[in-house]
Amino acid sequence: DTGVSQNPRHKITKRGQNVTFRCDPISEHNRLYWYRQTLGQGPEFLTYFQNEAQLEKSRLLSDRFSAERPKGSFSTLEIQRTEQGDSAMYLCASSSFGQGDNSPLHFGNGTRLTVT
Amino acid sequence: GEDVEQSLFLSVREGDSSVINCTYTDSSSTYLYWYKQEPGAGLQLLTYIFSNMDMKQDQRLTVLLNKKDKHLSLRIADTQTGDSAIYFCAEKPGSTLGRLYFGRGTQLTVWP
Repeated sequence: DTGVSQNPRHKITKRGQNVTFRCDPISEHNRLYWYRQTLGQGPEFLTYFQNEAQLEKSRLLSDRFSAERPKGSFSTLEIQRTEQGDSAMYLCASSSFGQGDNSPLHFGNGTRLTVT
Repeated sequence: GEDVEQSLFLSVREGDSSVINCTYTDSSSTYLYWYKQEPGAGLQLLTYIFSNMDMKQDQRLTVLLNKKDKHLSLRIADTQTGDSAIYFCAEKPGSTLGRLYFGRGTQLTVWP
């Protein structure tokens, strides 16, 4: 168990550019979540996958954001035409369905995005 | 809607106990969690409690749940400087697909 892995750790981009982040969940975890955390705030839910199916999306996820989990393993989060307001820490978490109702979320160390 | 409230700051002296409080609004919440976040890092799961329990102890950590008042607390015994971090309370409402709702976090500072 190597934990949830996120890449890159840091990304600096100019406004208007596209960025893509990757998340590798704990192996055999079939649930994967993306959260966003801004300074001084708790994590806010963005989207959720069970296996390869995206089952829920937050209203925070504008049409510039897209997430995929093509084979039910790793996931990518893409932000198109980045804006300064997109600057935040993007956190990925995974959990295992099948351990009853309580399947705690295990988080990665996040990708910190800075849009200049 | 779901709303989780925490006080923002707590300072204690090394060796004392710390108590971090949290209130939540969703009475259907099935599990409540405490996570710890150190600077520049992700969230580390500390402990959790099922909603039909009122207390859970795990080494130096004690979680108390008052379901009637929707109040959760985390007590850290013999607080150490390494415990300095941000602590997040999170609830898992029964209506969601495993999604958690987080408070803003409590910054715990431990003075030597």
